[in-house]
Amino acid sequence: SQQGEEDPQALSIQEGENATMNCSYKTSINNLQWYRQNSGRGLVHLILIRSNEREKHSGRLRVTLDTSKKSSSLLITASRAADTASYFCATVWGTPLVFGKGTRLSVIA
Amino acid sequence: DVKVTQSSRYLVKRTGEKVFLECVQDMDHENMFWYRQDPGLGLRLIYFSYDVKMKEKGDIPEGYSVSREKKERFSLILESASTNQTSMYLCASSLSGAEKLFFGSGTQLSVL
Repeated sequence: SQQGEEDPQALSIQEGENATMNCSYKTSINNLQWYRQNSGRGLVHLILIRSNEREKHSGRLRVTLDTSKKSSSLLITASRAADTASYFCATVWGTPLVFGKGTRLSVIA
Repeated sequence: DVKVTQSSRYLVKRTGEKVFLECVQDMDHENMFWYRQDPGLGLRLIYFSYDVKMKEKGDIPEGYSVSREKKERFSLILESASTNQTSMYLCASSLSGAEKLFFGSGTQLSVL
């Protein structure tokens, strides 16, 4: 199955800065989802964007989707130390979600 | 609130043992999934189920089996544990196949 691929693999920023993570994929999709995982724990769903949507917001999160380029980005604005986690994109096309390998975000206070 | 409960947070087993990982959800979800997570490899799907007594192989089913006798419970079975099955195991459920997943806290399994 085709995995999404997040970029960068790791990102380190100062508190208050914005963090941008990208996801590229290879197949058509029904929707694309972003998840967060704190160290050693389960994943938590952040946001879902459907294939006919271009942008979606949820609090400090902004997700964009470009189906022509088969890519998505997750922007976290005004980051906090508590945002330190791994972030995964997951694509859906008629099958169970297929996850990428994640971006490890470190927010330094 | 929605809850997916995995029976053990940490588990240590010996090579050759039969291992049962239990997962229970309280949301009346049709779909349940087992993933394993390894450093550098991300999450890989082992098995999934869209209904009671139904199961489908994921990307890496070898060495595993599953059981879903009741809607709320999805068990992962390692028939004969091996050291290469040392991993974090994550259970998840969803209302439909294309919607968001709710994950349990994970079981870190070590096979010695």
